[in-house]
Amino acid sequence: QKEVEQNSGPLSVPEGAIASLNCTYSDRGSQSFFWYRQYSGKSPELIMSIYSNGDKEDGRFTAQLNKASQYVSLLIRDSQPSDSATYLCAVKFTGTASKLTFGTGTRLQVTL
Amino acid sequence: GAVVSQHPSWVICKSGTSVKIECRSLDFQATTMFWYRQFPKQSLMLMATSNEGSKATYEQGVEKDKFLINHASLTLSTLTVTSAHPEDSSFYICSARVRGRGDTEAFFGQGTRLTVV
Repeated sequence: QKEVEQNSGPLSVPEGAIASLNCTYSDRGSQSFFWYRQYSGKSPELIMSIYSNGDKEDGRFTAQLNKASQYVSLLIRDSQPSDSATYLCAVKFTGTASKLTFGTGTRLQVTL
Repeated sequence: GAVVSQHPSWVICKSGTSVKIECRSLDFQATTMFWYRQFPKQSLMLMATSNEGSKATYEQGVEKDKFLINHASLTLSTLTVTSAHPEDSSFYICSARVRGRGDTEAFFGQGTRLTVV
């Protein structure tokens, strides 16, 4: 069973702080990883993709990938109330063509 | 980013009727489109994968005769929920992979909230 695990939260951080979201996956051979943000009642929107070990930065967002430990994380710097949403981790497992498997998501609350 | 348009955004239908949901890629050709279903407070569950000009591939447990998928062109895929029942009420979301672009980066439509009464 190929799985993507996330803590459902809610993760509460004060405005301006760093939010750290974590995701683990079961298939060591996986090569493609994605973070999506989903506001309540809306469809997911792609934030970051990462394919290589290490960090990838895009504005206030940094994705971190560690294939040996089978985890991928998303850091949000200078968190804003508008960042409050559910963050979905998605993995393309080996041998699954183009399909993505999603975690259950972590709900982030940024408080004033 | 690439734009995927899904229509309608919400629909209410009577039990036993059929509902068609459209998913269009507006500014790119989509070789592959995916249909997901999301129940409240749950994650996205892939229902089927459709490739232009061929039959859709359904995930285990998804009834292909109930959820009809047609991917007639590189920019349009449709999902028809036939003989809908209240338990089919859910948030249906399509996504499309950009042809020739990267690995599995996919863009989502706005989603369709289906309520069967």
